[in-house]
Amino acid sequence: GAVVSQHPSWVICKSGTSVKIECRSLDFQATTMFWYRQFPKQSLMLMATSNEGSKATYEQGVEKDKFLINHASLTLSTLTVTSAHPEDSSFYICSADPGRSPYGYTFGSGTRLTVV
Amino acid sequence: GEDVEQSLFLSVREGDSSVINCTYTDSSSTYLYWYKQEPGAGLQLLTYIFSNMDMKQDQRLTVLLNKKDKHLSLRIADTQTGDSAIYFCAESIGGGGNKLTFGTGTQLKVEL
Repeated sequence: GAVVSQHPSWVICKSGTSVKIECRSLDFQATTMFWYRQFPKQSLMLMATSNEGSKATYEQGVEKDKFLINHASLTLSTLTVTSAHPEDSSFYICSADPGRSPYGYTFGSGTRLTVV
Repeated sequence: GEDVEQSLFLSVREGDSSVINCTYTDSSSTYLYWYKQEPGAGLQLLTYIFSNMDMKQDQRLTVLLNKKDKHLSLRIADTQTGDSAIYFCAESIGGGGNKLTFGTGTQLKVEL
């Protein structure tokens, strides 16, 4: 149990276009989901906390107009990278709390975004 | 503040034990976790420890916590090639529902 599905696994897009990444909790409801960004050979950096039915909470330095987060249902959060540029190329990972504290969060398999 | 440090790289021979270390600075951490990340994949929770525990063992994994020194370690017994991955420690204040702060990650390479 406690599976998080993230889609797509990888995407290549042109500069200036927008890309949407989906994060679904398959067998549990998640009022809170987290979005991380990971650069090669680096740790995960929390970008924002996605809250069902309300606005996301962004970490300092993360542009909320560039990284749009929508958490419209208890099983789906989306991250849209708007007007993507090559420097947005990264590995994006979502996670959700299945509510079995303290067993930690369940992570999606990640999305490799390459902007050309 | 929240700062979690790990050594970058560890190489061991198959069958040996691996010890991955982690230091953290936030003394109010209540739960500490170890995650495994294989190339191009998400994170897999390996184990966790509550801050009032000193040690936890789970099959081949042993977690040691020295709260005084804010030092956490993960020992993998009988390391196998399938254990090659990046290992992250993470801390949380209050456990599930609260954000995690990840360490810098340790790449474990298991050689034959």
